[in-house]
Amino acid sequence: GAVVSQHPSRVICKSGTSVKIECRSLDFQATTMFWYRQFPKQSLMLMATSNEGSKATYEQGVEKDKFLINHASLTLSTLTVTSAHPEDSSFYICSAREGIANYGYTFGSGTRLTVV
Amino acid sequence: TQLLEQSPQFLSIQEGENLTVYCNSSSVFSSLQWYRQEPGEGPVLLVTVVTGGEVKKLKRLTFQFGDARKDSSLHITAAQPGDTGLYLCAGGGYNFNKFYFGSGTKLNVKP
Repeated sequence: GAVVSQHPSRVICKSGTSVKIECRSLDFQATTMFWYRQFPKQSLMLMATSNEGSKATYEQGVEKDKFLINHASLTLSTLTVTSAHPEDSSFYICSAREGIANYGYTFGSGTRLTVV
Repeated sequence: TQLLEQSPQFLSIQEGENLTVYCNSSSVFSSLQWYRQEPGEGPVLLVTVVTGGEVKKLKRLTFQFGDARKDSSLHITAAQPGDTGLYLCAGGGYNFNKFYFGSGTKLNVKP
């Protein structure tokens, strides 16, 4: 079955630094990738949708200059948290979709970001 | 505001009891999926329903998609401690190229 690899699984960084999270589809080409953020004991909130070769579409309230998303190839999307702040500490999860059908999403295992 | 509202938000039951989790929206979805998530991990897909009125069974779990494609339910029969986790419904719509999650139901099954 489809596999999505997300790296790193855990990262601790200092305030003011930037952190990059990678999301790779290992055995399929992902036309669309999604980035979610999850706070403890809460559901996943969609941050942005990225399509290969085009700019990401951000959800209302998500700062595009702070959460930089790049989807340079059909198998890789990256989320860079810039000038990290303790408030950015959270669980970030990516998902990838093969094709255009609005189901058949595969999720990465998530990245626990802690900003100190 | 959540596009998909789940109820109940929390549920704590004894092993062997039955339970139902609901997922409702004012929007029409082309498909709905149910996931189960363990702490610190990504969500794991349980089932996808795509046809209005569809019922799918997965061992002790029964999933139903509403006729109007706006709601879904998950019924667990004879719950076991291994069923403990966060249950999430999620859907993609006809009019938007996005995939949203419900508000989540935290289930705790006590032995």
